[in-house]
Amino acid sequence: DAKTTQPPSMDCAEGRAANLPCNHSTISGNEYVYWYRQIHSQGPQYIIHGLKNNETNEMASLIITEDRKSSTLILPHATLRDTAVYYCIEARGSTLGRLYFGRGTQLTVWP
Amino acid sequence: SAVISQKPSRDICQRGTSLTIQCQVDSQVTMMFWYRQQPGQSLTLIATANQGSEATYESGFVIDKFPISRPNLTFSTLTVSNMSPEDSSIYLCSVEGRRDTEAFFGQGTRLTVV
Repeated sequence: DAKTTQPPSMDCAEGRAANLPCNHSTISGNEYVYWYRQIHSQGPQYIIHGLKNNETNEMASLIITEDRKSSTLILPHATLRDTAVYYCIEARGSTLGRLYFGRGTQLTVWP
Repeated sequence: SAVISQKPSRDICQRGTSLTIQCQVDSQVTMMFWYRQQPGQSLTLIATANQGSEATYESGFVIDKFPISRPNLTFSTLTVSNMSPEDSSIYLCSVEGRRDTEAFFGQGTRLTVV
């Protein structure tokens, strides 16, 4: 079962940063925080993941609190194409393909 | 990255019949996963398919209803048996990437049961 909590919806102006929060207060020491997104009618797409350090890639940044009980996904310059459902998921490194999705956050980017 | 092809992309089926969904990957992978996404809902893991062994099903899913085959390291099938309208969903195939850091998903099979 999904163990993360996310707001059901958020919106953001195009060109602004989108900050998507996630609570994972029961995360285990060996579990990573993964973020995926699902654009309408497509399969989910990997965005980023982290264990305890902040991470950045070409798509986004991931900020994990020191106690690891919450994290924030940052899309630095949101575009209309970033409109999607964003899922925050806990996964162990040995079973990262076995994912338990919560309801996610519907992010709407408006012009 | 892994490229995943699913067939069919969509189908409309009569209740009581069965549909077999194919998943083809462009590289050899140890584990493949099948998910269901009911209308307006999130994804739910159905089972994990390893080559050479029986699939492992999640709670609420049984082999008689969702038999899975995994004949080699690049291919798997999921059958939805004795379908009812409640089986109308998108079914997705997934694999772990070679770097073992992310999962890749197919585009899904949109099934409508009438």
